[in-house]
Amino acid sequence: DAGVTQSPTHLIKTRGQQVTLRCSPISGHKSVSWYQQVLGQGPQFIFQYYEKEERGRGNFPDRFSARQFPNYSSELNVNALLLGDSALYLCASSFPGQGLYEQYFGPGTRLTVT
Amino acid sequence: TQLLEQSPQFLSIQEGENLTVYCNSSSVFSSLQWYRQEPGEGPVLLVTVVTGGEVKKLKRLTFQFGDARKDSSLHITAAQPGDTGLYLCAGLQAGTALIFGKGTTLSVSS
Repeated sequence: DAGVTQSPTHLIKTRGQQVTLRCSPISGHKSVSWYQQVLGQGPQFIFQYYEKEERGRGNFPDRFSARQFPNYSSELNVNALLLGDSALYLCASSFPGQGLYEQYFGPGTRLTVT
Repeated sequence: TQLLEQSPQFLSIQEGENLTVYCNSSSVFSSLQWYRQEPGEGPVLLVTVVTGGEVKKLKRLTFQFGDARKDSSLHITAAQPGDTGLYLCAGLQAGTALIFGKGTTLSVSS
């Protein structure tokens, strides 16, 4: 079975631009979460979506937004990019209902802001 | 916000040595997970511990959840070069978000 897929793999943007990152969850998983991982740090929670509704939001500015589609895929949008937004953006899918919220991560999108 | 502190931050050992990585918090977590991440890839789930005092073994890896569910440890026996990577602990917060520690970078040389 295919794991979590993310696109693009790498992305270079200029300060002030906008970016959209995409994620497809494991088949059957209905929840998608987004994390930001800065070099040398652990992943930091941005959003969780379940059944197209936002279920959780981390401590990120309103420049960050996301949505989930009927097929459970998801997009993360970041507006007005800053140099500090450079990071690995991870998507994880899970199947809530099993009680443990074990999350399965994709390979990430490496965003570089210049 | 609950925080998870991992130690040590870096560990460099020879093949065949044993090691322990610690994950500590002042808060109680309903469950705690350990992940391993290799450069350029996403974290891969190793284990989930739920019950205080729980011990789980995965081949040469032993995971323990503290009795009070505030801390956890990962012990690797006879480390191999293939164990090299970033080890992350993560606790479930408010039922929706995983709170990660900063990780322990392990390097095993042959």
